[in-house]
Amino acid sequence: NAGVTQTPKFQVLKTGQSMTLQCAQDMNHNSMYWYRQDPGMGLRLIYYSASEGTTDKGEVPNGYNVSRLNKREFSLRLESAAPSQTSVYFCASSSGASGNTDTQYFGPGTRLTVL
Amino acid sequence: KNEVEQSPQNLTAQEGEFITINCSYSVGISALHWLQQHPGGGIVSLFMLSSGKKKHGRLIATINIQEKHSSLHITASHPRDSAVYICAFSGGSNYKLTFGKGTLLTVNP
Repeated sequence: NAGVTQTPKFQVLKTGQSMTLQCAQDMNHNSMYWYRQDPGMGLRLIYYSASEGTTDKGEVPNGYNVSRLNKREFSLRLESAAPSQTSVYFCASSSGASGNTDTQYFGPGTRLTVL
Repeated sequence: KNEVEQSPQNLTAQEGEFITINCSYSVGISALHWLQQHPGGGIVSLFMLSSGKKKHGRLIATINIQEKHSSLHITASHPRDSAVYICAFSGGSNYKLTFGKGTLLTVNP
């Protein structure tokens, strides 16, 4: 039982390049989330998926797209990376049974640098 | 405007000391979450509470809904408790968590 896994762990991109961050959970959770964490700021929600087949924008969605591929997997895509997207990205999941009072389980994070 | 304020931002303690980290929020909430992030990044949920008090081992979380305030206490602190402790709240009809900036705790032997 791996919980929430993310790939890659580290990535360096040049401005304008694209990439996809992968996230998978094996807890049969309905809800999944993508956050970014920047120095001096709290975690901020980029996108979330309340259940398979649905996605919604969070606080900072500009420059990102997401795909809920199936119940297990939720990917985050940067189409044209910018230095402002340098950050640590966390994927999380929750059962979805209680909406916004569920415990969220986090992946180990992806450290992304855009040059 | 950050709707969640944590204090202190940084805290250094000696092993064995009693630790208190505070969290204040400005809106109505559904639940208050405390999370722990160790150096190297992993984030773990410690507590979720909407009223009263919860205890896990040496960790105690309390919340006062009327005063919009929560505290995380660590009894008999240990160097392995060194981490960033993050407060977050959920509220309203969506799934959004609003996070504080975290409190960096260092416990020296």
